[in-house]
Amino acid sequence: QKEVEQDPGPLSVPEGAIVSLNCTYSNSAFQYFMWYRQYSRKGPELLMYTYSSGNKEDGRFTAQVDKSSKYISLFIRDSQPSDSATYLCAMSGSGGTSYGKLTFGQGTILTVHP
Amino acid sequence: NAGVTQTPKFQVLKTGQSMTLQCAQDMNHEYMSWYRQDPGMGLRLIHYSVGAGITDQGEVPNGYNVSRSTTEDFPLRLLSAAPSQTSVYFCASSPPGRETQYFGPGTRLLVL
Repeated sequence: QKEVEQDPGPLSVPEGAIVSLNCTYSNSAFQYFMWYRQYSRKGPELLMYTYSSGNKEDGRFTAQVDKSSKYISLFIRDSQPSDSATYLCAMSGSGGTSYGKLTFGQGTILTVHP
Repeated sequence: NAGVTQTPKFQVLKTGQSMTLQCAQDMNHEYMSWYRQDPGMGLRLIHYSVGAGITDQGEVPNGYNVSRSTTEDFPLRLLSAAPSQTSVYFCASSPPGRETQYFGPGTRLLVL
């Protein structure tokens, strides 16, 4: 079983829809949770970053972390065709030998059609 | 400020050949790392470095070597390429005390 599970999709939604992307994980030592967006043939770019449990909002994007359920989510409001990309969740432990070692989900392919 | 740069963008190798993938960053980041991305597997950590002169293995280090002689550069060496090393390789860096990483544009490698 992988430490981080993410439904690869693909997910196709109409423009303006609310998109929900999710990851589950098994390692209770994970403290840092990130979402990366990756356009075709490009490197991943950081979208959202959350430490421990809670919500974080940035424009149309909201990240949620529920450590008790080992479940993280990314919501995209008013989705746009420019949001079409692969979304990767990533997480890491707290300092020490875990510093900087990101564990990624498989990525979810999202298409927003006009 | 170019961020993280990688060369080459694309490379074709024959089985048994060796090569070096280059990675450089101009943000004075201490931490640098190499990942490979394969379909359905996400990104997997190959090697990482917490500073000049210090490197360590990640999840999938076999067949790869690294060294870190300067803060800016972190090359990845394939000693004897195998078809299983066909992948897209990403270099990343992050500043001290930060978990977030900044990725380069990637190198697409095909081993025949």
